[in-house]
Amino acid sequence: DTGVSQDPRHKITKRGQNVTFRCDPISEHNRLYWYRQTLGQGPEFLTYFQNEAQLEKSRLLSDRFSAERPKGSFSTLEIQRTEQGDSAMYLCASSLAHLNSPLHFGNGTRLTVT
Amino acid sequence: GENVEQHPSTLSVQEGDSAVIKCTYSDSASNYFPWYKQELGKRPQLIIDIRSNVGEKKDQRIAVTLNKTAKHFSLHITETQPEDSAVYFCAEHTPLVFGKGTRLSVIA
Repeated sequence: DTGVSQDPRHKITKRGQNVTFRCDPISEHNRLYWYRQTLGQGPEFLTYFQNEAQLEKSRLLSDRFSAERPKGSFSTLEIQRTEQGDSAMYLCASSLAHLNSPLHFGNGTRLTVT
Repeated sequence: GENVEQHPSTLSVQEGDSAVIKCTYSDSASNYFPWYKQELGKRPQLIIDIRSNVGEKKDQRIAVTLNKTAKHFSLHITETQPEDSAVYFCAEHTPLVFGKGTRLSVIA
């Protein structure tokens, strides 16, 4: 399977703990995106990278969230001091770098904070 | 900031009928408008997209129309089938901003 892969599929953590998710994009895709989706809502943009550069970060994104893409391939999303409101599906997507290239989503990581 | 409004939030149609979902956007500079389909428990998948240099695009039973003057675009599904039942999201801007979704139910 050469699609976008995310790990883990599910994560249950206690409030206050730190969690880290990983995303491996489609190999030839330069851009990588993180979105969050809660029940009954559309995906909400968090941040995106072109190669290793983080180009944009949502104004709504708490400073407890940080993302990296150190070598321009896989990316990690870390949430520090998790809160119950962080419970959601975290979706990663990738695309080519040219303007308006379609996004290809992974299956997501479902986070539950107890 | 960028904003896209989608309606209706739910839509039920009889099998074989047509379904129309509409979105309005605020950023007049937007020039790319995709539609994604998300089945229960699965990832969003692109079904069709349109760029601002055209007013309509068709792919078999699916079509998208764009009115840049009015800043709205619509998804049209003809001859609906039960497997069309899903949540549909419109989006615009780069990086993509998504609408809240329309849950389409096709009743056999």
